[in-house]
Amino acid sequence: DAGVIQSPRHEVTEMGQEVTLRCKPISGHNSLFWYRQTMMRGLELLIYFNNNVPIDDSGMPEDRFSAKMPNASFSTLKIQPSEPRDSAVYFCASSYGTGVLTEAFFGQGTRLTVV
Amino acid sequence: GDSVTQMEGPVTLSEEAFLTINCTYTATGYPSLFWYVQYPGEGLQLLLKATKADDKGSNKGFEATYRKETTSFHLEKGSVQVSDSAVYFCALSDPPYTYGNKLVFGAGTILRVKS
Repeated sequence: DAGVIQSPRHEVTEMGQEVTLRCKPISGHNSLFWYRQTMMRGLELLIYFNNNVPIDDSGMPEDRFSAKMPNASFSTLKIQPSEPRDSAVYFCASSYGTGVLTEAFFGQGTRLTVV
Repeated sequence: GDSVTQMEGPVTLSEEAFLTINCTYTATGYPSLFWYVQYPGEGLQLLLKATKADDKGSNKGFEATYRKETTSFHLEKGSVQVSDSAVYFCALSDPPYTYGNKLVFGAGTILRVKS
């Protein structure tokens, strides 16, 4: 398996523009997580899905952020409009099953720079 | 809320030196504990985990013991190699685990091993 695939790996955009980050989870996995990594706040959970349904979006910082999972093999995280403080590395992770023994597999991340 | 505190880095060691990275946690419930490793340019990988008090997680020569009385989960390795250079994250997950593990991460500790 190719693992969790995120695209793009790097994104540079101007303030005010819309940004869409993409994630393809591991085939067969039924939970998907979006994390953000910054120097100031470390790794934070933004939102997670189970069986394509959003379960908890309490970590989404503002209404400018939205996430969707239209099917089991694809998810997007959108920022509209983007701001310089959104600059961070965004990670997607997926896992299978329930219980404490499930393991989350992470993608390589998307480094977003908003100028 | 839940939180994880790790020792600040970077930690710089010579090859074959003994490694300890301290991790303490605060949790409302009875969490499971994890160590993740991030190699340059890659996503996070699960290194080891422990799900209950006094459990010892181990992998690739690394060990950590779940100490409930001191709320700690320190990472140790008897003899580090240059290839261990990476960022190490301590994390916890609180029950219920209905959708797998919703991880709360520490800030990460950079480890540099010199030959």
